[in-house]
Parts: sequence; C-alpha cells; structure tokens
Amino acid sequence: DVQLVESGGGLVQPGGSLRLSCAGSGFTFSSYWMHWVRQAPGKGLVWISRINSDGYSISYADSVKGRFTISRDNAKNTLYLQMNSLRDEDTAVYYCAMNLPSDNWGQGTLVTVSS
Amino acid sequence: IVLTQSPGTLSLSPGERATLSCRASQSVAGNYLAWYQQKPGQAPRLLIYGAFSRATGVPDRFRGSGSGPDFALTISRLEPEDFAVYYCQQYGLSPWTFGQGTKVEFK
Repeated sequence: DVQLVESGGGLVQPGGSLRLSCAGSGFTFSSYWMHWVRQAPGKGLVWISRINSDGYSISYADSVKGRFTISRDNAKNTLYLQMNSLRDEDTAVYYCAMNLPSDNWGQGTLVTVSS
Repeated sequence: IVLTQSPGTLSLSPGERATLSCRASQSVAGNYLAWYQQKPGQAPRLLIYGAFSRATGVPDRFRGSGSGPDFALTISRLEPEDFAVYYCQQYGLSPWTFGQGTKVEFK
C-alpha cells in the first residue's frame, strides 16, 4: 500500500524557517511527481508546489515563490519543503501528495506561524 | 487558472440530487479537471479525473461533466456519507489550482 508520512511541522515565529519532510513507501518513489498542498484552518485546499520525478522540473504558486523550496532525495524516498521567511498566513496543514490528481495523500502536518 | 466553484453551500436532504459547478478563468487544456471530496480531519479523496473518469472505488452516483471553462459534478442521489466539502482542481496548466470548495450540508 502507498504510504506518505509528513513530519517537521510545529510552531515557528514570523520570519522563521521550517523544513517539512514526506517519507514515501509502498511505491517506486523515484518514478512519480510529488506535490505539496496546504489548507489553512477552516479554509480550502491550496496547491503550493510540485517536483518532477528526477527533481529537475519544479513549479511554485506565486504565494510561496522565492520563500519556499521543494526538493527530493530519491535514495531516501523522501520529499522536502524548505520554508523560509514564514508569515502568519502560512499557518496551515501541509499535505504531500503523489502524482496529482491522486488518492495518495499524507495525513498532513500542522505549521503554525505565530509570535 | 482561477477556478470558481458555486454555490458556496448546498443544503439538501438524503436522496436528493446535487449539482456542483466549477468555472475556470480560461479553458482547461485536455479537460485536465479533477474533483475531490473532503471530510473534516481527513485528506481529500479523489472522485473524478479527466473531467469525466471516476477514480477507483467511486460509486456511479458521482458523475463529472463539462469541458473548456465549465465543469460540473453531479451526485444523483445523496447518501448520508456524501455530505462533505467538494473541490475541483485543474492540472492542465502550471501552477495547478483548486477551487474554493462547495460544502454539501444537511438541509
């Protein structure tokens, strides 16, 4: 079975940094595009970034461009999201997802940006 | 591409038909439009991809339709487990985008 497990969320002050990880198992991680999607409390889904299978093609939503960096380590079956210059409005549950559109999502990790 | 879903909330009873709309700000290439269902505290569940194709295990009461900028999700007869929030998503043009969601609630 496909499993995606996010980690690395937590409380961070505005302007701070955080790195999220998403460990994949049950599938050939290196063959699939991967995505990050977030959801602010009580709000809708927002796609924020994707990376192709070999890591050389990357795209970001305008809201995070220049602040967030997506990457992957196919040897470790792990997807990353480096988040810098965090703002209050980045507070959300962050999901990793495989090969959107897909039924394969992680359970999410909560990032809270607050002083 | 901006996706606008309507209505924001749909108040219906079990057994009734639900029609949810998703309008794109420009034509969605290849009809690369998906629909998801999300319940509180859960990750989204894929219902429809390619505008029309049901994902594995999705009951046939869920039907996707439309093309170009206008798409719809129809639930022919609502079951109690269908009361949730529904999102459309386009994946034809980067950046991928989601609609803001339609909540289907008990009347």
